Amino acid sequence: EPEVTQTPSHQVTQMGQEVILRCVPISNHLYFYWYRQILGQKVEFLVSFYNNEISEKSEIFDDQFSVERPDGSNFTLKIRSTKLEDSAMYFCASRTDRDRYGYTFGSGTRLTVV
Amino acid sequence: GENVEQHPSTLSVQEGDSAVIKCTYSDSASNYFPWYKQELGKRPQLIIDIRSNVGEKKDQRIAVTLNKTAKHFSLHITETQPEDSAVYFCAASPMNYGGSQGNLIFGKGTKLSVKP
Repeated sequence: EPEVTQTPSHQVTQMGQEVILRCVPISNHLYFYWYRQILGQKVEFLVSFYNNEISEKSEIFDDQFSVERPDGSNFTLKIRSTKLEDSAMYFCASRTDRDRYGYTFGSGTRLTVV
Repeated sequence: GENVEQHPSTLSVQEGDSAVIKCTYSDSASNYFPWYKQELGKRPQLIIDIRSNVGEKKDQRIAVTLNKTAKHFSLHITETQPEDSAVYFCAASPMNYGGSQGNLIFGKGTKLSVKP
């Protein structure tokens, strides 16, 4: 079964540093998403991406965050200047087309900001 | 924006009993309601979903019901087994409504423990 792949699985970074989280969505999927989950809490929507541009973003997705699909396969989330409260599990997700609603989530990247 | 409430936060049942988890949503534009199972440290796994044009959907031991008028939906697991123990999240989305690309708004989760 096709999978959404995320790297790295765990990243530790110092406060104020930039991090890039990487995702390879399923190849024929068209809609891409980033979600985050602070430990023990619910999954929260960050941003959706379609047709090479951001479709929707939440209040969490401020100017410190950006997304890119640089080469048609990778889908990246960049946090410019990390804060302690950015520590969370970040999940990438994708779905195939407009009429298929089910998401496939990646295995996640645990980001720890120290 | 959408707000999803989920109850209970924890649920403990004996193996073989049924478990019911309930969610309410606020935005009448929401039309897609998935349920996810998440084991510790793992990704959310879609276990069942329902669209707003149906009232009930069943897949073996799992069923979901939707009441659009009351804006609530429920997950029913029958004949529970220890491997059903996990955190279950409901979510709602205005999929394709008004150009939405289907961002999911999640409930806070229910930790289900099935005792052998």
